[in-house]
Amino acid sequence: NAGVTQTPKFRVLKTGQSMTLLCAQDMNHEYMYWYRQDPGMGLRLIHYSVGEGTTAKGEVPDGYNVSRLKKQNFLLGLESAAPSQTSVYFCASSYSENQPQHFGDGTRLSIL
Amino acid sequence: RKEVEQDPGPFNVPEGATVAFNCTYSNSASQSFFWYRQDCRKEPKLLMSVYSSGNEDGRFTAQLNRASQYISLLIRDSKLSDSATYLCVVNGQIKAAGNKLTFGGGTRVLVKP
Repeated sequence: NAGVTQTPKFRVLKTGQSMTLLCAQDMNHEYMYWYRQDPGMGLRLIHYSVGEGTTAKGEVPDGYNVSRLKKQNFLLGLESAAPSQTSVYFCASSYSENQPQHFGDGTRLSIL
Repeated sequence: RKEVEQDPGPFNVPEGATVAFNCTYSNSASQSFFWYRQDCRKEPKLLMSVYSSGNEDGRFTAQLNRASQYISLLIRDSKLSDSATYLCVVNGQIKAAGNKLTFGGGTRVLVKP
């Protein structure tokens, strides 16, 4: 019973590099989300998806892109990483937008 | 004003004591309320939903006060394992996120022997 799985768990990048974070869920949830969590800031929504093939901007979308080609997967891309994107990234999924969200165990990303 | 506001704490609680803390929210039309628990360097996990009539789950009691726009969490007979950050979650607080859930910054609770 995997739930929400995020890969990788840790990553160190240099400024300007690109990378993709993968989120996979096996609960057949329609909604998926990407958050970042920084000290003193709480969870902030980056992008979200209400179903396969759809994506939408959240609270802090700049510098990130997302894709949801398959219902079970939600990818977060950083095209040109910046030190300000150093953070812990959490993926979550839910049955609907008002229902509790289930989280992956996070990706710790450092950008030097 | 933050959309979902919590006292960051920490609340230092003797083992066996009771601790309670609140969370205020800005959108009076909100319908969904939850408490999540987050351990250090771990993902948030759902602790309990908050219903209009108030609800209890073991040692945990959640209340909703719509008139004053806050929810509360009370922990009785605190255990060392209750040490964590408790996140208040409310729907419909941020325009860019529509009716989706918004997380508060969390209240840190430290239970000490």
